[in-house]
Amino acid sequence: GDSVTQMEGPVTLSEEAFLTINCTYTATGYPSLFWYVQYPGEGLQLLLKATKADDKGSNKGFEATYRKETTSFHLEKGSVQVSDSAVYFCALSEYWGDMRFGAGTRLTVKP
Amino acid sequence: NAGVTQTPKFQVLKTGQSMTLQCAQDMNHNSMYWYRQDPGMGLRLIYYSASEGTTDKGEVPNGYNVSRLNKREFSLRLESAAPSQTSVYFCASSEGNRGYGGSGNTIYFGEGSWLTVV
Repeated sequence: GDSVTQMEGPVTLSEEAFLTINCTYTATGYPSLFWYVQYPGEGLQLLLKATKADDKGSNKGFEATYRKETTSFHLEKGSVQVSDSAVYFCALSEYWGDMRFGAGTRLTVKP
Repeated sequence: NAGVTQTPKFQVLKTGQSMTLQCAQDMNHNSMYWYRQDPGMGLRLIYYSASEGTTDKGEVPNGYNVSRLNKREFSLRLESAAPSQTSVYFCASSEGNRGYGGSGNTIYFGEGSWLTVV
């Protein structure tokens, strides 16, 4: 069945460092791919999404490119801030199925 | 701009007790969901509702019942709570149904309910 695998955390970075959180997926069709972010004590919020191969989703300085050939959707940000500290979830959804979430990666950014 | 509102935020139950988690959305969405979040496992779907009066089981429905009272409200009931149901529960909604994920159907989440069963 469909699944999402994302890099284990926690990830700790200094402010202004470059961020990459890896995400790969397994799907039978052509899913949409998502990154959700969960700030402490809050629910998940959509960060960005891509609905077809080679699409790039971007928001708040984060971006991810839908790579069908490598079945990946890695999240990147050029310069992280303390306020980016959160848990990040990669997810996929196909036309006929439920949204599948990865286990989440906790990011801590230190000043 | 309330979005998805769920109550209570925190609850401690004894094994065998029952309780209902309430959820309401004000975005006029057709679809509503209940998820549970456990460490290292991401979110797993408990139940789904495509419209008033209809519900479908998700990945982990055992031990839970749901009720879609109207378009706005979707409640989750634990009839006899067990320690394995200690988790964070999220209600969510979306405009499209669960089958429209391929077209980028976005799911909107509530802030979560922390449930501990002792």
